[in-house]
Order: sequence, then C-alpha cells, then structure tokens
Amino acid sequence: SQTIHQWPATLVQPVGSPLSLECTVEGTSNPNLYWYRQAAGRGLQLLFYSVGIGQISSEVPQNLSASRPQDRQFILSSKKLLLSDSGFYLCAWSVPGQPQHFGDGTRLSIL
Amino acid sequence: EDKVVQSPLSLVVHEGDTVTLNCSYEVTNFRSLLWYKQEKKAPTFLFMLTSSGIEKKSGRLSSILDKKELSSILNITATQTGDSAIYLCAALLGGSQGNLIFGKGTKLSVKP
Repeated sequence: SQTIHQWPATLVQPVGSPLSLECTVEGTSNPNLYWYRQAAGRGLQLLFYSVGIGQISSEVPQNLSASRPQDRQFILSSKKLLLSDSGFYLCAWSVPGQPQHFGDGTRLSIL
Repeated sequence: EDKVVQSPLSLVVHEGDTVTLNCSYEVTNFRSLLWYKQEKKAPTFLFMLTSSGIEKKSGRLSSILDKKELSSILNITATQTGDSAIYLCAALLGGSQGNLIFGKGTKLSVKP
C-alpha cells in the first residue's frame, strides 16, 4: 500500500532563516505531488504541484520554491523566511483522476 | 475564477443529531467532487463523486452530487463526538495534473 511521509511535524524558525521541508511517498511510481498551505480559518491553498521529476508548477507568487529531485521526493524551500510564511504545510500525492492523499503536515511558526 | 463555497462555516450539534453540510462549486474544468475529514493533522478522504444523483454511503456518512445545481451535500446521521472535525469539500479539475480547488471547510462540533 502507498504511504506518504512528511517531516518535521513542527518547526519554529526565526525571520530571515532558510527552510527545507521534505515529503516522500512509498508504494507508487510517478505520482503527482503537491504542496499546500493552510492558514487558520481558511481552506487549503495549492502552492506547487509536480507531475514528474524536475517538473514544478507554481500556483501563487511567493517567497517559497519547490523541487523534485527524485520520483517520490518533494521538497519545499525558502532562502529567507518571512513572518507571513507561518502556517500549516501539507504534502499530498495522487494519480490522475483519483483522490489526493495527504501527509500529516508541518506546523511552521516564524518568530 | 474557480471557486468552491461551503456552508455553514461552523456548526454545533448534540450527539444523535443529523447534520447536512453543503458545498457549491464554480469551476471551468470540473471532473469530480471530493469530501475530506480533517481532525488534527492530515485530511482523510471520505468520498469522490463524479456522477450526478448517485448517493455514496459509508456507515453513518453519505453524500450526493447535483451537477445541475453545481452542488453537493454531506449527511451525517446519529452524530458522535468522534465526528467533530473540519469537513473539506474540493473540486477535482480535469487534466493530468489532478489539481483540487478547496472550500474553506465546515467546522463541526458534536457535544455529548
């Protein structure tokens, strides 16, 4: 069966520091991968998606970037965090036409 | 602009009550409508609805899609405290990307 791992679960970072969140999927090949941010009281906002290695599409302009160095690995990064980057970040995977399945999320607090 | 709207945004009921959560969508390349339940962490998948008028059931939960009205409902009968969660509705777009457009969610609180 397929599983998705996302870490760390919580992270506290100072403003201006770099960020790297990692997500890996097991049990499937060539999945679509997604990064979302969920702010309090709001739905999930799609940040990036990838349909293959090295293929990244950005949905909103922002201070973050994503990379997919391997088929089942998706990384969310920032060179310098802003206060507005605080939130709950979720990684998800799917195959076309099927539901997305989510990792447990990373709660990011910027001080 | 594609959008999904859920109502109500929050709801408080007592155990044993029946609740109906609403979702409407306006998307240009609609494929399916999905429901998720989110407790503390990851949203967990409940239903995917593609055809209009066909009810899907799982225990005390059921859902149906109305493509003429561009809407869906999620029913929960005989609610329990374990049903307390945020229920998210999302429109799955056509195409190989499989992108979802989410509503803001309905926060359901079930009191004992």
